[in-house]
Amino acid sequence: GAVVSQHPSRVICKSGTSVKIECRSLDFQATTMFWYRQFPKQSLMLMATSNEGSKATYEQGVEKDKFLINHASLTLSTLTVTSAHPEDSSFYICSARRAGGQTEAFFGQGTRLTVV
Amino acid sequence: GESVGLHLPTLSVQEGDNSIINCAYSNSASDYFIWYKQESGKGPQFIIDIRSNMDKRQGQRVTVLLNKTVKHLSLQIAATQPGDSAVYFCAENTWNKFYFGSGTKLNVKP
Repeated sequence: GAVVSQHPSRVICKSGTSVKIECRSLDFQATTMFWYRQFPKQSLMLMATSNEGSKATYEQGVEKDKFLINHASLTLSTLTVTSAHPEDSSFYICSARRAGGQTEAFFGQGTRLTVV
Repeated sequence: GESVGLHLPTLSVQEGDNSIINCAYSNSASDYFIWYKQESGKGPQFIIDIRSNMDKRQGQRVTVLLNKTVKHLSLQIAATQPGDSAVYFCAENTWNKFYFGSGTKLNVKP
């Protein structure tokens, strides 16, 4: 299967600072990337969808100025959590898929963000 | 098409038994479905997929059944092994986005 690499796997930051998470598709071109957030013992909640070269589409209730998403190339998307607060602490997971509707989404290993 | 995650239900089975995990999806326009397995602290791992024009698909030790009438998916795991212990999610593809179901924790007892 295709490989999606997410970095960092863990990050601790202070309240008020910003944190950037990278998601790379290593062996395929990802026309679409997704960002999810997962709280303990809960499901993955879709935050936003990004297509290469265009603005991300955010799900209802997700603040686009808080969670900045950039999909500058076919192999890289970044999520920046701006002015982080303790309630932003969570597990963030990216996924990527090739062009075409009925194709699998490959997932990164996730980033555990802790805001102190 | 959004999932609402609450406390995960748990399915406990004996090693060697068959497991059946169920999922209700939300959008009748969804055209593609995937079952994922997630181990603690890791990203989801693909298990099997099925398109909406099918009602059954088999893989190695796994079978997915799709009932579009009642918007229901099931994942059957044959001869469940301790390594199958994880959380299982179904995901539906709706307008080229993947939305996840609430998940089931599978606990395999040796």
